[in-house]
Amino acid sequence: AQTVTQSQPEMSVQEAETVTLSCTYDTSESNYYLFWYKQPPSRQMILVIRQEAYKQQNATENRFSVNFQKAAKSFSLKISDSQLGDTAMYFCAFMKHGDDKIIFGKGTRLHILP
Amino acid sequence: DVKVTQSSRYLVKRTGEKVFLECVQDMDHENMFWYRQDPGLGLRLIYFSYDVKMKEKGDIPEGYSVSREKKERFSLILESASTNQTSMYLCASSPAGGPNYGYTFGSGTRLTVV
Repeated sequence: AQTVTQSQPEMSVQEAETVTLSCTYDTSESNYYLFWYKQPPSRQMILVIRQEAYKQQNATENRFSVNFQKAAKSFSLKISDSQLGDTAMYFCAFMKHGDDKIIFGKGTRLHILP
Repeated sequence: DVKVTQSSRYLVKRTGEKVFLECVQDMDHENMFWYRQDPGLGLRLIYFSYDVKMKEKGDIPEGYSVSREKKERFSLILESASTNQTSMYLCASSPAGGPNYGYTFGSGTRLTVV
């Protein structure tokens, strides 16, 4: 069975700093998708970034980028120039190709301090 | 703007009551999901559905049932609510097949059982 581990329950950084959230996963599959979701205090879960395992290039979305290390089964999220609006719970998630169920990590609560 | 709508943002129910949590999506998605979110435990899958009248158990189905009579609506039912079912409940949907871009989530229902 696949598992997703987020080792940092909570983090705080100053506004404008860069922060990296860690995620590791365990799977025997070779083809899968990885996601980072953001859940702000409004509770609406929002997809931040998505990575396809067969693509070696790391995904980027504006200030958000990932460091995908397939051999190490690591999928960290980097937020550059952090903003107060980045304060949220962040979930790392895994989905096997051909499946429709997503497996979520336990989340990292990120505080951006003014 | 496409969306997933959960009928209640907050609910307070008494122990032993039958509780219905409703979820409606307007994206013509085949897949619908119910997750439970608890601090330190992340999101855990309760039930999911691939099609009308189809349902499958997730990781924690005990004490819950579901109904999907129409494609756009997926209901979670607590047959006899208990205090350990106090939680945040998230509904999500996704299209079937093709490259998967994750789920679209509702805003959640925070249920308190007293």
